[in-house]
Amino acid sequence: AQTVTQSQPEMSVQEAETVTLSCTYDTSESDYYLFWYKQPPSRQMILVIRQEAYKQQNATENRFSVNFQKAAKSFSLKISDSQLGDAAMYFCAYRSPLSGGGADGLTFGKGTHLIIQP
Amino acid sequence: DARVTQTPRHKVTEMGQEVTMRCQPILGHNTVFWYRQTMMQGLELLAYFRNRAPLDDSGMPKDRFSAEMPDATLATLKIQPSEPRDSAVYFCASGLVTAPAYEQYFGPGTRLTVT
Repeated sequence: AQTVTQSQPEMSVQEAETVTLSCTYDTSESDYYLFWYKQPPSRQMILVIRQEAYKQQNATENRFSVNFQKAAKSFSLKISDSQLGDAAMYFCAYRSPLSGGGADGLTFGKGTHLIIQP
Repeated sequence: DARVTQTPRHKVTEMGQEVTMRCQPILGHNTVFWYRQTMMQGLELLAYFRNRAPLDDSGMPKDRFSAEMPDATLATLKIQPSEPRDSAVYFCASGLVTAPAYEQYFGPGTRLTVT
Protein backbone atom coordinates (compact mmCIF):
# COMPACT_ATOMS: atom_id res chain seq x y z
CA ALA A 1 0.00 0.00 0.00
CA GLN A 2 1.07 3.51 -0.69
CA THR A 3 1.85 5.94 2.11
CA VAL A 4 2.12 9.70 2.12
CA THR A 5 4.13 11.58 4.73
CA GLN A 6 3.97 15.26 5.56
CA SER A 7 6.66 15.89 8.13
CA GLN A 8 5.68 19.46 9.02
CA PRO A 9 2.56 19.57 11.21
CA GLU A 10 2.66 23.37 11.15
CA MET A 11 4.40 26.09 9.18
CA SER A 12 4.37 29.84 9.60
CA VAL A 13 5.26 32.48 7.01
CA GLN A 14 5.10 36.23 6.75
CA GLU A 15 2.62 37.68 4.32
CA ALA A 16 4.18 38.19 0.86
CA GLU A 17 6.98 35.72 1.60
CA THR A 18 7.52 32.29 0.05
CA VAL A 19 6.93 29.02 1.87
CA THR A 20 7.55 25.41 0.91
CA LEU A 21 5.53 22.50 2.26
CA SER A 22 7.11 19.05 2.16
CA CYS A 23 5.61 15.75 1.11
CA THR A 24 7.17 12.35 0.55
CA TYR A 25 5.47 9.17 -0.51
CA ASP A 26 6.22 5.51 -0.78
CA THR A 27 5.14 3.45 -3.77
CA SER A 28 6.29 0.65 -6.02
CA GLU A 29 4.26 1.95 -8.95
CA SER A 30 5.96 3.77 -11.80
CA ASP A 31 2.92 5.73 -12.91
CA TYR A 32 0.72 7.66 -10.51
CA TYR A 33 -0.74 11.06 -9.74
CA LEU A 34 -0.01 13.53 -6.98
CA PHE A 35 -2.19 16.31 -5.67
CA TRP A 36 -2.15 19.12 -3.16
CA TYR A 37 -5.45 20.01 -1.53
CA LYS A 38 -6.22 23.04 0.62
CA GLN A 39 -8.70 22.87 3.50
CA PRO A 40 -9.58 26.26 5.02
CA PRO A 41 -11.52 26.55 8.29
CA SER A 42 -14.74 26.09 6.31
CA ARG A 43 -13.65 22.43 5.86
CA GLN A 44 -14.11 22.59 2.10
CA MET A 45 -11.43 20.57 0.29
CA ILE A 46 -10.06 22.53 -2.66
CA LEU A 47 -7.66 21.19 -5.27
CA VAL A 48 -4.60 23.41 -5.50
CA ILE A 49 -2.40 21.62 -8.01
CA ARG A 50 -1.82 18.20 -9.57
CA GLN A 51 1.15 16.38 -11.10
CA GLU A 52 1.31 13.35 -13.33
CA ALA A 53 4.34 11.20 -12.50
CA TYR A 54 5.21 10.64 -16.15
CA LYS A 55 5.64 14.37 -16.69
CA GLN A 56 9.10 15.69 -15.92
CA GLN A 57 7.98 19.30 -15.93
CA ASN A 58 6.86 20.62 -12.57
CA ALA A 59 3.26 21.80 -12.42
CA THR A 60 2.47 25.46 -11.72
CA GLU A 61 -0.78 27.26 -10.98
CA ASN A 62 -0.31 31.00 -10.53
CA ARG A 63 1.46 31.47 -7.17
CA PHE A 64 1.58 27.72 -6.51
CA SER A 65 4.23 25.41 -7.90
CA VAL A 66 5.60 22.00 -7.09
CA ASN A 67 9.04 20.48 -6.95
CA PHE A 68 8.52 16.89 -8.08
CA GLN A 69 11.51 14.63 -7.54
CA LYS A 70 10.42 11.18 -8.72
CA ALA A 71 13.58 9.32 -7.76
CA ALA A 72 13.46 10.77 -4.27
CA LYS A 73 9.66 10.29 -4.08
CA SER A 74 9.28 13.88 -3.04
CA PHE A 75 6.51 16.32 -3.96
CA SER A 76 6.82 19.71 -2.27
CA LEU A 77 4.50 22.67 -2.70
CA LYS A 78 5.85 26.19 -2.99
CA ILE A 79 3.58 29.14 -2.34
CA SER A 80 4.95 32.45 -3.54
CA ASP A 81 3.80 35.87 -2.35
CA SER A 82 1.82 34.33 0.52
CA GLN A 83 -1.56 35.90 1.18
CA LEU A 84 -3.79 35.83 4.26
CA GLY A 85 -6.26 33.74 2.31
CA ASP A 86 -3.67 30.99 1.93
CA ALA A 87 -4.00 30.14 5.63
CA ALA A 88 -5.36 26.61 5.78
CA MET A 89 -4.51 22.94 6.19
CA TYR A 90 -2.69 21.58 3.16
CA PHE A 91 -2.88 17.93 2.28
CA CYS A 92 -0.66 16.02 -0.09
CA ALA A 93 -2.40 13.10 -1.82
CA TYR A 94 -1.43 10.16 -3.98
CA ARG A 95 -3.49 8.24 -6.51
CA SER A 96 -2.66 5.08 -8.38
CA PRO A 97 -3.09 4.84 -12.14
CA LEU A 98 -6.58 4.03 -13.30
CA SER A 99 -7.22 0.37 -13.85
CA GLY A 100 -10.18 -1.87 -14.40
CA GLY A 101 -10.07 -3.03 -10.81
CA GLY A 102 -10.37 0.48 -9.52
CA ALA A 103 -7.73 2.42 -7.64
CA ASP A 104 -9.16 5.90 -7.82
CA GLY A 105 -9.20 6.65 -4.14
CA LEU A 106 -6.80 9.24 -2.81
CA THR A 107 -4.27 8.43 -0.10
CA PHE A 108 -3.69 11.54 1.99
CA GLY A 109 -0.91 12.72 4.22
CA LYS A 110 -1.73 14.00 7.71
CA GLY A 111 -1.59 17.60 6.59
CA THR A 112 0.38 20.79 7.30
CA HIS A 113 -1.27 23.70 9.05
CA LEU A 114 -0.10 26.87 7.30
CA ILE A 115 -0.21 30.12 9.26
CA ILE A 116 0.20 33.45 7.51
CA GLN A 117 1.58 36.23 9.69
CA PRO A 118 0.36 39.69 8.65
CA ASP B 1 -21.60 26.73 -10.34
CA ALA B 2 -21.86 22.94 -10.00
CA ARG B 3 -21.16 21.60 -6.52
CA VAL B 4 -21.37 18.40 -4.55
CA THR B 5 -24.02 18.73 -1.89
CA GLN B 6 -24.23 16.78 1.35
CA THR B 7 -26.99 16.50 3.93
CA PRO B 8 -27.14 16.92 6.81
CA ARG B 9 -24.22 19.25 7.46
CA HIS B 10 -24.25 18.39 11.14
CA LYS B 11 -25.65 15.39 12.98
CA VAL B 12 -25.64 14.61 16.68
CA THR B 13 -26.97 11.23 17.67
CA GLU B 14 -26.84 8.75 20.49
CA MET B 15 -24.88 5.54 20.39
CA GLY B 16 -26.87 2.72 18.83
CA GLN B 17 -28.93 4.93 16.52
CA GLU B 18 -28.96 4.64 12.75
CA VAL B 19 -27.34 7.47 10.83
CA THR B 20 -27.88 8.17 7.13
CA MET B 21 -25.79 10.67 5.23
CA ARG B 22 -26.69 11.73 1.71
CA CYS B 23 -24.69 13.08 -1.16
CA GLN B 24 -25.72 14.57 -4.48
CA PRO B 25 -22.77 14.39 -6.88
CA ILE B 26 -22.21 16.94 -9.60
CA LEU B 27 -24.56 16.21 -12.48
CA GLY B 28 -22.84 14.08 -15.09
CA HIS B 29 -20.05 12.83 -12.84
CA ASN B 30 -19.67 9.05 -12.98
CA THR B 31 -17.50 8.39 -9.92
CA VAL B 32 -18.49 9.02 -6.30
CA PHE B 33 -16.30 8.66 -3.23
CA TRP B 34 -16.86 8.59 0.53
CA TYR B 35 -14.03 9.74 2.79
CA ARG B 36 -13.83 10.11 6.56
CA GLN B 37 -11.71 12.68 8.39
CA THR B 38 -10.68 12.35 12.03
CA MET B 39 -7.94 13.99 14.05
CA MET B 40 -6.25 10.67 14.73
CA GLN B 41 -6.50 8.96 11.34
CA GLY B 42 -6.69 11.92 9.02
CA LEU B 43 -8.53 11.49 5.71
CA GLU B 44 -9.38 7.92 4.77
CA LEU B 45 -11.19 6.45 1.79
CA LEU B 46 -14.23 4.44 2.85
CA ALA B 47 -15.77 3.42 -0.48
CA TYR B 48 -16.35 4.52 -4.02
CA PHE B 49 -18.59 3.89 -7.01
CA ARG B 50 -18.26 4.20 -10.74
CA ASN B 51 -21.41 4.36 -12.84
CA ARG B 52 -23.24 3.45 -9.61
CA ALA B 53 -21.37 0.16 -9.23
CA PRO B 54 -19.29 -0.27 -6.06
CA LEU B 55 -15.61 -0.60 -6.94
CA ASP B 56 -13.96 -0.55 -3.54
CA ASP B 57 -15.34 -0.57 -0.01
CA SER B 58 -12.31 -2.04 1.71
CA GLY B 59 -11.93 1.01 3.94
CA MET B 60 -15.37 0.61 5.43
CA PRO B 61 -16.24 -1.39 8.58
CA LYS B 62 -18.55 -3.94 6.99
CA ASP B 63 -20.51 -4.87 10.06
CA ARG B 64 -22.03 -1.44 10.61
CA PHE B 65 -21.42 0.67 7.51
CA SER B 66 -23.12 0.44 4.15
CA ALA B 67 -22.86 2.60 1.05
CA GLU B 68 -25.25 2.66 -1.87
CA MET B 69 -26.13 4.62 -4.98
CA PRO B 70 -29.86 4.23 -5.56
CA ASP B 71 -29.54 6.40 -8.65
CA ALA B 72 -26.99 8.59 -10.40
CA THR B 73 -28.00 11.67 -8.40
CA LEU B 74 -27.87 10.18 -4.91
CA ALA B 75 -25.27 8.36 -2.84
CA THR B 76 -25.93 7.28 0.74
CA LEU B 77 -23.74 6.20 3.62
CA LYS B 78 -25.43 4.48 6.53
CA ILE B 79 -24.12 3.55 9.95
CA GLN B 80 -26.15 1.11 12.01
CA PRO B 81 -25.65 0.98 14.92
CA SER B 82 -23.54 4.08 15.42
CA GLU B 83 -20.74 4.21 18.00
CA PRO B 84 -18.81 7.11 19.55
CA ARG B 85 -15.72 6.14 17.51
CA ASP B 86 -17.70 6.96 14.34
CA SER B 87 -17.60 10.64 15.26
CA ALA B 88 -15.88 12.34 12.34
CA VAL B 89 -16.42 14.49 9.29
CA TYR B 90 -17.67 12.46 6.33
CA PHE B 91 -16.91 13.82 2.89
CA CYS B 92 -18.47 12.88 -0.40
CA ALA B 93 -16.55 13.64 -3.59
CA SER B 94 -17.39 13.16 -7.23
CA GLY B 95 -15.47 13.16 -10.48
CA LEU B 96 -15.79 12.47 -14.19
CA VAL B 97 -13.20 10.14 -15.58
CA THR B 98 -12.19 11.96 -18.74
CA ALA B 99 -8.47 11.80 -18.11
CA PRO B 100 -6.26 9.84 -15.73
CA ALA B 101 -5.53 12.88 -13.57
CA TYR B 102 -9.20 13.78 -13.24
CA GLU B 103 -10.18 15.99 -10.33
CA GLN B 104 -12.27 14.87 -7.39
CA TYR B 105 -14.67 17.60 -6.26
CA PHE B 106 -15.46 17.47 -2.56
CA GLY B 107 -18.68 18.32 -0.81
CA PRO B 108 -18.77 20.41 2.38
CA GLY B 109 -18.87 17.35 4.61
CA THR B 110 -21.19 16.02 7.30
CA ARG B 111 -19.92 16.47 10.83
CA LEU B 112 -21.16 13.49 12.84
CA THR B 113 -21.08 13.37 16.62
CA VAL B 114 -22.10 10.17 18.36
CA THR B 115 -22.60 10.48 22.12
